[in-house]
Amino acid sequence: AQTVTQSQPEMSVQEAETVTLSCTYDTSENNYYLFWYKQPPSRQMILVIRQEAYKQQNATENRFSVNFQKAAKSFSLKISDSQLGDTAMYFCAFMNAGNMLTFGGGTRLMVKP
Amino acid sequence: DAGVIQSPRHEVTEMGQEVTLRCKPISGHNSLFWYRQTMMRGLELLIYFNNNVPIDDSGMPEDRFSAKMPNASFSTLKIQPSEPRDSAVYFCASSSQGLPSTDTQYFGPGTRLTVL
Repeated sequence: AQTVTQSQPEMSVQEAETVTLSCTYDTSENNYYLFWYKQPPSRQMILVIRQEAYKQQNATENRFSVNFQKAAKSFSLKISDSQLGDTAMYFCAFMNAGNMLTFGGGTRLMVKP
Repeated sequence: DAGVIQSPRHEVTEMGQEVTLRCKPISGHNSLFWYRQTMMRGLELLIYFNNNVPIDDSGMPEDRFSAKMPNASFSTLKIQPSEPRDSAVYFCASSSQGLPSTDTQYFGPGTRLTVL
C-alpha cells in the first residue's frame, strides 16, 4: 500500500514571498503520478500541478513548481510570489497504476498581507 | 464546459434516515470516484467505477453504504440507515483514462452531510 506524508500541518508566508511545501511518499511501484491539490475555504478540490514519475523534468505551472526527487521519494511544491488567494489547504496525492489516489494529511497555508 | 456536478450541496438528516448523494461526471470521462473527507481520517477513496462498472469498493466502510452508476453520466452514493459518524464531506471525481496526459481526477464541489 502507498502512503503519503506531509510533515508540515501549517505554514505561513508573507505576500509576494516564496514558500515550499513538503511531501514524501512510499511505494514499490515504478510508474505512477503525483499531484498537488488546493482546497480553499470553499472546500472545492482544485488541481494545482501534476508530475509523471517517468519524467525527469520538474513540472511547472505559472507560479507553482515542484521538486521531484524520485530516488528520495520526495515531491515538494514551491509557490513563488505568494498571493492572498493562495491561502488554502494543500494536499499531496499519489496515483498508482490502478488509478486510485492516496492523499497526504494536508498542509494549511496562510498567506499574510 | 461544466465540471463535475454534485447534489445536494448540503444535506442534514436524522439518524436512521436514508441519504442519497448524486454525481454527474464530466462529459466524456469514463472513470468516476467517490471520496469522503473527515477531520479524523482525511480524504479516503470509497469506490471507483470504470466504464460504469465498480472496480474497487474496498473503501466502502460497511454494508450501509452502496453506490451505483447506471450510465456514463450519473452515479449515486446511498447510505441506509445513516448514522452520526457518517457526517462528512463527500466528493465525487471523474477522469478520462487510457489517453496520454489524462488520468487526472477532477473533483466536484462536494456534499456536506450532517447526520443528527
